[in-house]
Amino acid sequence: GAVVSQHPSWVICKSGTSVKIECRSLDFQATTMFWYRQFPKQSLMLMATSNEGSKATYEQGVEKDKFLINHASLTLSTLTVTSAHPEDSSFYICSARDASGSGVFFGPGTRLTVL
Amino acid sequence: DAKTTQPTSMDCAEGRAANLPCNHSTISGNEYVYWYRQIHSQGPQYIIHGLKNNETNEMASLIITEDRKSSTLILPHATLRDTAVYYCIVRGIGNTPLVFGKGTRLSVIA
Repeated sequence: GAVVSQHPSWVICKSGTSVKIECRSLDFQATTMFWYRQFPKQSLMLMATSNEGSKATYEQGVEKDKFLINHASLTLSTLTVTSAHPEDSSFYICSARDASGSGVFFGPGTRLTVL
Repeated sequence: DAKTTQPTSMDCAEGRAANLPCNHSTISGNEYVYWYRQIHSQGPQYIIHGLKNNETNEMASLIITEDRKSSTLILPHATLRDTAVYYCIVRGIGNTPLVFGKGTRLSVIA
C-alpha cells in the first residue's frame, strides 16, 4: 500500500515554543491531507483538511491561528503548533488521500510532549 | 459524529476467526464502508473497504449485508499481532475525511 511518513516521530518542547510536524506521501501524490490528534485512551479527532495550494479547512473548535497548516506541494503538508502549552501534548497523526479518492493512508504519528 | 456502532471490546482465541460486527443503518447509497485498525501508539492501518459487494484481500474479508445497514470484518486466522482497536467508518469518495468512532478493541488470546 501507499506510504505516508511523519517527522519527527516524537518531540519534547518547552511551553511557549512552536513545533513543526511534517507529513509526506512517499510514493503517491496527495492533493488532500488530513490532520488528527489523539489523546490517551481516546479515538482520533479530526483537526483539519489540507488541500494543496489552498487554505486548510479547520474543524469546529480547532484554532487556526494556533495550529498552522501548510500544504505547499503534492507530497508535503506541515502542521505547526504555535506557542505550545502542556494541554497541546498529544499524538498527532496525518493521512493522505490518493488520486482515486478511495485510498486514505495514515502516517505513523508524532507524539508531542510540552513541558 | 461517527455514523457507525461497534461493540466496545471482543476477545478471540489465537488461530480462530475473528468476526467484528458494525452497524451503519444510516449509510447513503454513495458511501463506502472502510475498516482500519490501530495498534497501540501507531497510526491507523488500512484493512479493507467496500461498497455493496463482499470483498477479500490478504488481510481480511468484508461481508456487507444486502441492505447495507451492517457489515462484518473477518480475520480468518487471528494471531496475537492482530490485537488492536478496529474502526469501522462510513465515507463518501473524494475529499471527505474519515471520521473515527470509538472502535472495537480486539484482544487475541493465546
